[in-house]
Amino acid sequence: EAGVAQSPRYKIIEKRQSVAFWCNPISGHATLYWYQQILGQGPKLLIQFQNNGVVDDSQLPKDRFSAERLKGVDSTLKIQPAKLEDSAVYLCASSRPGIAKNIQYFGAGTRLSVL
Amino acid sequence: GNSVTQMEGPVTLSEEAFLTINCTYTATGYPSLFWYVQYPGEGLQLLLKATKADDKGSNKGFEATYRKETTSFHLEKGSVQVSDSAVYFCALDHAGGTSYGKLTFGQGTILTVHP
Repeated sequence: EAGVAQSPRYKIIEKRQSVAFWCNPISGHATLYWYQQILGQGPKLLIQFQNNGVVDDSQLPKDRFSAERLKGVDSTLKIQPAKLEDSAVYLCASSRPGIAKNIQYFGAGTRLSVL
Repeated sequence: GNSVTQMEGPVTLSEEAFLTINCTYTATGYPSLFWYVQYPGEGLQLLLKATKADDKGSNKGFEATYRKETTSFHLEKGSVQVSDSAVYFCALDHAGGTSYGKLTFGQGTILTVHP
């Protein structure tokens, strides 16, 4: 089966600009996650969707970050305006219902550099 | 709250050496524990998991045992190869409530294996 697809792979922007990342999860995976991975740290969950509803967005900086999963399939994460400290790899992951639902499958990520 | 602490890295070994990467955790409830591996330029991949105390997860020659009494999940491999060079992340999931499936990661340990 195809894995989690993310685009773009790399993005360079200047501070105060906006940027969007796209994720297409594995077919049939109801749960979708966005993580932020700062260099030298482990991934940190930003938002978790179950189908098209938000389960957890407690760590999402809502003044500048937004995410949507309108049809319960692919998802977009947006940053507006970007700050220098947003430089990181943004990882998307998905998991399926049932007994394996706590196994997450990750995309390759989008590396964002904010100058 | 839940947290994961990994041994400081990076770790540099010669091929066929024994590997241990320490991981300890703090959690409420009874989380599942995971080791994920991240090869250069790729997303995270599940290496192994354990879902309850005294369970041993194993894959590709790697092993880790869920030790509730010491709150540990140390990763071991008897003979490493150059191809094992990667970043290794210990993680736990949130065992219940609305955040079921949410992963908390350690900071990662960089492993480099020389021929």
